[in-house]
Amino acid sequence: GAVVSQHPSWVICKSGTSVKIECRSLDFQATTMFWYRQFPKQSLMLMATSNEGSKATYEQGVEKDKFLINHASLTLSTLTVTSAHPEDSSFYICSARGRRVDYGYTFGSGTRLTVV
Amino acid sequence: QKEVEQDPGPLSVPEGAIVSLNCTYSNSAFQYFMWYRQYSRKGPELLMYTYSSGNKEDGRFTAQVDKSSKYISLFIRDSQPSDSATYLCAMSPIVLILTGGGNKLTFGTGTQLKVEL
Repeated sequence: GAVVSQHPSWVICKSGTSVKIECRSLDFQATTMFWYRQFPKQSLMLMATSNEGSKATYEQGVEKDKFLINHASLTLSTLTVTSAHPEDSSFYICSARGRRVDYGYTFGSGTRLTVV
Repeated sequence: QKEVEQDPGPLSVPEGAIVSLNCTYSNSAFQYFMWYRQYSRKGPELLMYTYSSGNKEDGRFTAQVDKSSKYISLFIRDSQPSDSATYLCAMSPIVLILTGGGNKLTFGTGTQLKVEL
C-alpha cells in the first residue's frame, strides 16, 4: 500500500524562527500533495494544494508568504512556516495522491508545531 | 450550510456492538467517498473508499452510499477497544484517474468513537 512519511513529528521553535516540515511518498509517485492544518478536536482544514513542478494553490485566507510550499519532485513536498508565531502552533498534516486510484489520498503522520 | 455534515459525537458503545457512523452532503458533484480513521495526534488512515451507490465490505467494515439521499455510512461490526478513534468521512468530485493528480477532499468534522470493555 501507499506510505507517506512526514518529519518531524514534533517540533518546538522560538517565535520569529522558521520551521520546515517534510513529506515524502515512499513507494509511489505523488502527483499531488495537500497540506492541512488541524486544531484540537476539529476536522482538517486544507491550506494548499501542490502539483509536482507547479506553484502551490492556496486556500482563501492562507498566507502564501508565511506558509511556503515546495513540491520539487514526485516524492517530496515541504511546508516552511516562516517567522513563526504562537498562533501558528497547530497540527500540520500532509496528504499525497498518486496515479493509482486504490491508494486514495494517503496521509502523513502529522507534525505538531509549538511556537514559544 | 456545510457541504458535509457529520455528527461529532462522542459516541460510546460496548465492545462487540455494531457501530453506525453517518455523513450527509449537499454537493451532488461528489462522486468519490472515503472513510478515514484518526487516532489522537496521528494522521488519518484510509479505511475504505467507494464510487458507487450500494455497499462495500472489507472485514468488519462496511461502507454504504446512497447518492439519491446524499447520505453515506460506515458500519463497524464486532467493535473492539482498538477501534476507539475519530472517524472522518471525506468526499470529492470525480477523480482525474488518467492524469493522476486529484481534486481536493471535503471532510466531515469527524465522529469520536469510544468502544468500552
